[in-house]
Amino acid sequence: DVKVTQSSRYLVKRTGEKVFLECVQDMDHENMFWYRQDPGLGLRLIYFSYDVKMKEKGDIPEGYSVSREKKERFSLILESASTNQTSMYLCASGPGSQPQHFGDGTRLSIL
Amino acid sequence: QQPVQSPQAVILREGEDAVINCSSSKALYSVHWYRQKHGEAPVFLMILLKGGEQKGHEKISASFNEKKQQSSLYLTASQLSYSGTYFCGTETQAAGNKLTFGGGTRVLVKP
Repeated sequence: DVKVTQSSRYLVKRTGEKVFLECVQDMDHENMFWYRQDPGLGLRLIYFSYDVKMKEKGDIPEGYSVSREKKERFSLILESASTNQTSMYLCASGPGSQPQHFGDGTRLSIL
Repeated sequence: QQPVQSPQAVILREGEDAVINCSSSKALYSVHWYRQKHGEAPVFLMILLKGGEQKGHEKISASFNEKKQQSSLYLTASQLSYSGTYFCGTETQAAGNKLTFGGGTRVLVKP
């Protein structure tokens, strides 16, 4: 079974802090994704990566950056957290144009 | 631009049928369907590739009309376990492995 693990289920940070969300997958997938999920808006893609050190902007990249130094790990960085970044963040991985496997999500609150 | 899902919510009695639609303004290469139960990660149901094929998962099936850029998910003889939020994710040829998700359809199946 594919396992996508996100480092925290719940996280509370303060405005202006630099925040790191970590995601690890154990199936050697090329592609990894970061989404945010807000009620009524579904899943919106922030960034994705198709290889180590490669990254592509998604639909809402502003205020975020990512890092992929190893194939199994994909990090989402909030450079200076703001209250409008309070949300559920979901990481996913997948082999090419195939089903994406999601982690359990991190509920992030910015105070 | 996100695909549009309809309806936004539906309440069913066990054994009833329902249809969830997903419409895009762009030419689609594939449509992916996921289900997310409350507090859990989205789980892959099926992929439909252009060609109008139909697929099934238990008593859940789907169709893809590439000319209309539309996919429909059919919940037949619904069971309590079908409750959750259903998301369609659309892929265009140009976007490669990137999915754009709709806003979701909340389904509640009552005994």
